[in-house]
Amino acid sequence: GDSVTQMEGPVTLSEEAFLTINCTYTATGYPSLFWYVQYPGEGLQLLLKATKADDKGSNKGFEATYRKETTSFHLEKGSVQVSDSAVYFCALSPRGNYQLIWGAGTKLIIKP
Amino acid sequence: DTGVSQNPRHKITKRGQNVTFRCDPISEHNRLYWYRQTLGQGPEFLTYFQNEAQLEKSRLLSDRFSAERPKGSFSTLEIQRTEQGDSAMYLCASSLFQDTDTQYFGPGTRLTVL
Repeated sequence: GDSVTQMEGPVTLSEEAFLTINCTYTATGYPSLFWYVQYPGEGLQLLLKATKADDKGSNKGFEATYRKETTSFHLEKGSVQVSDSAVYFCALSPRGNYQLIWGAGTKLIIKP
Repeated sequence: DTGVSQNPRHKITKRGQNVTFRCDPISEHNRLYWYRQTLGQGPEFLTYFQNEAQLEKSRLLSDRFSAERPKGSFSTLEIQRTEQGDSAMYLCASSLFQDTDTQYFGPGTRLTVL
């Protein structure tokens, strides 16, 4: 079945460092891909999405490119801030389906 | 746009008791979803509604679980005869039929079964 695999956390970085959180997926067809973020004490928020191969989703300085050849959707940010500390979830939605299939989440800790 | 709201935010109950959670979706959204999230894991799909019709149920949703969405507005999720394994965060999300890719999540209800 369809699945999402994320790098394990926690990932600890210093402020202004470059961030990469790896995400790979297994799916039939052409799913839509998402990154959600969960700040402490808050609900899940859609961070960015991409719906077809080579699309780049971006928001708040974060970017991820839909790579069908490597079945990946890695999250990147050039310079992280303390306020980016949160749990990040990669997810996919199979084409024509309503369900979201999620990775286990990666906790990001940014130290000043 | 007030977002998706869920009540209560926290529920502590004893094993064997029944509990009910409520979700109020974004007003114009006709699709509503329930997920369950355990500590350190991503959410798992439970069920979804289009308007008042419950169109899909995961096999995770045992007979003790029932969900309703009367009149296609708010939804309730009831768990009967709770077990310790039911302890989790229960998440509600909503979306427009035309854009099911974009689901908006509520803050969740954290259930603790003692």
